[in-house]
Amino acid sequence: AQSVTQLGSHVSVSEGALVLLRCNYSSSVPPYLFWYVQYPNQGLQLLLKYTSAATLVKGINGFEAEFKKSETSFHLTKPSAHMSDAAEYFCAVNFNKFYFGSGTKLNVKP
Amino acid sequence: KAGVTQTPRYLIKTRGQQVTLSCSPISGHRSVSWYQQTPGQGLQFLFEYFSETQRNKGNFPGRFSGRQFSNSRSEMNVSTLELGDSALYLCASSLGQGATGANVLTFGAGSRLTVL
Repeated sequence: AQSVTQLGSHVSVSEGALVLLRCNYSSSVPPYLFWYVQYPNQGLQLLLKYTSAATLVKGINGFEAEFKKSETSFHLTKPSAHMSDAAEYFCAVNFNKFYFGSGTKLNVKP
Repeated sequence: KAGVTQTPRYLIKTRGQQVTLSCSPISGHRSVSWYQQTPGQGLQFLFEYFSETQRNKGNFPGRFSGRQFSNSRSEMNVSTLELGDSALYLCASSLGQGATGANVLTFGAGSRLTVL
């Protein structure tokens, strides 16, 4: 069965610090991978997607993610956290059906 | 272009009642998926409709049902509501092209259901 694992249900960083949110998938073939962000009382918004064109994918709000086939990972990073980045982040994979990770809540401390 | 519209945004029901939620997808999108989101269970897939046919279904009891109309608008219904049905119900639309890079889910803002 396909699955997506997000390590760490809560991550806390200081403003200006590096953000690293981890995502691993289970698949024998490279899937289509996505990161979504959800702000309180809102739906999910697409941050970025991997479609095999390039292993390093840049998204909105300064986020990027690197696809590593050998590690079956698609970690999300941002060099410098901003208070407005506080939200919940979901990793997802599309295998003819979308599978979502359990989410990581990012807290940004002033 | 207009995004995914879900109505109502908030509603309160009592146990035993039923509820119908509506979702209008992005113009041109033929697939509509529904998710239940709760603090304890996270994001759980309910079902997906494509061209008025249910294409995928999650592990929810038969009290949860849905349908899609010819204009791609979708409704989901929950009958005999239970306290545990309190959740944010999210609808997402897509082109519905399966496992392709073009098939991206676009979410609505959700319908928050509270069951008393």
